[in-house]
Amino acid sequence: NAGVMQNPRHLVRRRGQEARLRCSPMKGHSHVYWYRQLPEEGLKFMVYLQKENIIDESGMPKERFSAEFPKEGPSILRIQQVVRGDSAAYFCASSFTQYEQYFGPGTRLTVT
Amino acid sequence: DQQVKQNSPSLSVQEGRISILNCDYTNSMFDYFLWYKKYPAEGPTFLISISSIKDKNEDGRFTVFLNKSAKHLSLHIVPSQPGDSAVYFCAATGANNLFFGTGTRLTVIP
Repeated sequence: NAGVMQNPRHLVRRRGQEARLRCSPMKGHSHVYWYRQLPEEGLKFMVYLQKENIIDESGMPKERFSAEFPKEGPSILRIQQVVRGDSAAYFCASSFTQYEQYFGPGTRLTVT
Repeated sequence: DQQVKQNSPSLSVQEGRISILNCDYTNSMFDYFLWYKKYPAEGPTFLISISSIKDKNEDGRFTVFLNKSAKHLSLHIVPSQPGDSAVYFCAATGANNLFFGTGTRLTVIP
């Protein structure tokens, strides 16, 4: 009974490159959420998706960031033209209902 | 605007004693509250939750109390164990996403 899977666990990108973060939800979960955690801060909501639909992207920057959750395959968080300020831990969570969310181990993005 | 606040960044407790972690929120539309535990380099682990229709929920050593009029919730851990040492986040939701506090680092001293 695998939990939420995220890969890669660590990702290093140079400024201007693209970062792709993947998340496979727990089996049976159709709700996926992405959060970002900056050093010494709590987790901040970015986007909420169900299969093939973005439900709420109010926490996601308008520029350079996009997310998808296709019918088949993992959810992808994509950051184009990364900048140093994008360096953070990115966590994916999934849930069966909209309440109890279960988190993956996170992807630590470092932009050099 | 921080809608969920944990005003104590750290707490130290002797093993066997009670740990009390506090959390305040500002949005009266929140109707479900959760506590997560987080170790370094890992994702948050769900601990316990409470609906706004209740004022207490208990699960083993963990009890969450909700005071809606004060917009305050607390997590009690008793007895505290060294393995409980971690960062604890409270979270609240009323719609699509969780709003997290900034966390309290609990250290349980053997």
